[in-house]
Amino acid sequence: LAKTTQPISMDSYEGQEVNITCSHNNIATNDYITWYQQFPSQGPRFIIQGYKTKVTNEVASLFIPADRKSSTLSLPRVSLSDTAVYYCLLINNNNDMRFGAGTRLTVKP
Amino acid sequence: NAGVMQNPRHLVRRRGQEARLRCSPMKGHSHVYWYRQLPEEGLKFMVYLQKENIIDESGMPKERFSAEFPKEGPSILRIQQVVRGDSAAYFCASSLTSGSADEQFFGPGTRLTVL
Repeated sequence: LAKTTQPISMDSYEGQEVNITCSHNNIATNDYITWYQQFPSQGPRFIIQGYKTKVTNEVASLFIPADRKSSTLSLPRVSLSDTAVYYCLLINNNNDMRFGAGTRLTVKP
Repeated sequence: NAGVMQNPRHLVRRRGQEARLRCSPMKGHSHVYWYRQLPEEGLKFMVYLQKENIIDESGMPKERFSAEFPKEGPSILRIQQVVRGDSAAYFCASSLTSGSADEQFFGPGTRLTVL
């Protein structure tokens, strides 16, 4: 599976919009871009998934440029409870997910 | 509809003992995955199983580790003769089908401590 690269950590303040970018230069045609969130001492939780262009759900938006070599997870108006580790993954038909170290987001009051 | 259940939540073993971790997938899910997470690191894929079959065990150590998902009952991850390096959080996930767009649902994990 293609490797993904994302910032190790980010800080933000309550009410701000947070954008976390993930690079995946060697993404394959059948790879889907998927983001998971993990709170301490819990299992990861699915946030959003996309293949191309823009996807939006009640939690976040995912922006994917035409070349698909990167993607940006956008969290609108974060709160303290959004402090977590966010993982960008590429998954394909094997459903074999490879987690990197993720981005540790800290939301401050 | 209960989520993925794992037990025990915490397990303490002495070196050389056996550890058995259990995972009950979400109702209707026949695909189970096991991951290991060391502190401050991401999850590492270990094994992917369907009912009674191991589909992909490329991430599982060749020795001391085994996994099963019987026709009846939970999936079991078994670690024989545990060593200190086996101390980690072990997460199980399940999905309804396999495939690119199918979400995996994770359990709360089992934290194994080897003394």
